[in-house]
Amino acid sequence: EDKVVQSPLSLVVHEGDTVTLNCSYEVTNFRSLLWYKQEKKAPTFLFMLTSSGIEKKSGRLSSILDKKELFSILNITATQTGDSAVYLCAVNNYGQNFVFGPGTRLSVLP
Amino acid sequence: EAGVTQFPSHSVIEKGQTVTLRCDPISGHDNLYWYRRVMGKEIKFLLHFVKESKQDESGMPNNRFLAERTGGTYSTLKVQPAELEDSGVYFCASSQDLPGTSGGGGTDTQYFGPGTRLTVL
Repeated sequence: EDKVVQSPLSLVVHEGDTVTLNCSYEVTNFRSLLWYKQEKKAPTFLFMLTSSGIEKKSGRLSSILDKKELFSILNITATQTGDSAVYLCAVNNYGQNFVFGPGTRLSVLP
Repeated sequence: EAGVTQFPSHSVIEKGQTVTLRCDPISGHDNLYWYRRVMGKEIKFLLHFVKESKQDESGMPNNRFLAERTGGTYSTLKVQPAELEDSGVYFCASSQDLPGTSGGGGTDTQYFGPGTRLTVL
């Protein structure tokens, strides 16, 4: 059965810290890996990764995929209180199905 | 551009009753997905429409759930009769293209709606 594991499940840091969130997966016919940020309501899209070793960046956030070791990391540098959210990792296979991980709850304290 | 909208935002019903959830995707998005998050668990895929056709309904839990997308625009998800374990947040998402088909152009990005919180008492 397809599976996505995220770690840690919960993380508390102070503003200015750098955090690394992990996502590992076991999926047949892997197509892409996606990161979402969920605050109060809808998950908002952050990154889609399809190729190994190519870093995607958006401001203080960056992500990279390792298809050989079957994992991805999401880095957030110089964290701010507005980064507090649940970060979801989802993997898509060629059956067009999406498998979500449990999420990492990040709390950034002032 | 309007995002994905869902109605209602919260529904409280009694066990055995029927509830219908509605999702309006982003205009022009052929792909529409339903997901569910049960308390304490991860988001689970329910089904995927391409226009009005069910592309993949492998995640539908049982035959008490019926999803429709007549005309290929908005979609409804009906639960009849509702059971206690159906409580959770039901998310809808839409995308213009199938995942992985945009060639990096981003047209396959899935945009999520705010969700409908269903509580079955």
